[in-house]
Amino acid sequence: AQSVTQLGSHVSVSEGALVLLRCNYSSSVPPYLFWYVQYPNQGLQLLLKYTTGATLVKGINGFEAEFKKSETSFHLTKPSAHMSDAAEYFCAVSVGNNFNKFYFGSGTKLNVKP
Amino acid sequence: DTGVSQDPRHKITKRGQNVTFRCDPISEHNRLYWYRQTLGQGPEFLTYFQNEAQLEKSRLLSDRFSAERPKGSFSTLEIQRTEQGDSAMYLCASSSTDYGYTFGSGTRLTVV
Repeated sequence: AQSVTQLGSHVSVSEGALVLLRCNYSSSVPPYLFWYVQYPNQGLQLLLKYTTGATLVKGINGFEAEFKKSETSFHLTKPSAHMSDAAEYFCAVSVGNNFNKFYFGSGTKLNVKP
Repeated sequence: DTGVSQDPRHKITKRGQNVTFRCDPISEHNRLYWYRQTLGQGPEFLTYFQNEAQLEKSRLLSDRFSAERPKGSFSTLEIQRTEQGDSAMYLCASSSTDYGYTFGSGTRLTVV
């Protein structure tokens, strides 16, 4: 069975500070892992994804994430937060070919203080 | 092509009424997905289509829910005899083997 746990439903950082959003997954098969961002009343936008190959993946808007199999983690980081990063972030795991079905975490709301 | 389109953006309905939502995927995407997102939760998988074939349905999709994708293009999601528990954001997404997974902006349903 597949599942995703996001630690911390709310994270608050100061502008310019490091952003760290935590994601742990459970999967019975090698997973594909994703981070999505959602702004109020909008759909989800893909930030980055890990399928195979290099375990450190870079995404849009300066975000990156590292797949650590031994820790079953895929934490999202950004060196310096910007006010425009304030949003809700979802980690997701997919199994099967061609990203058949996603299992999402419950989300982390990021607040950026000036 | 402007991405995945969903209509309407918002729907308020009385309990017991039927509602239908429409999703227009990215034209070259052959796979189409429906998800439901309730307040404070991540999206939950409902169903997906490859072309016009509905290949998988979640147990969340009760008998009151039906989805179609005639001719493998747009899709509709119908909810019959709506209940207050159906209030949620209904998200559509499309994908192909080459392009990944793109979400629409969703339809927010409120059942009063």
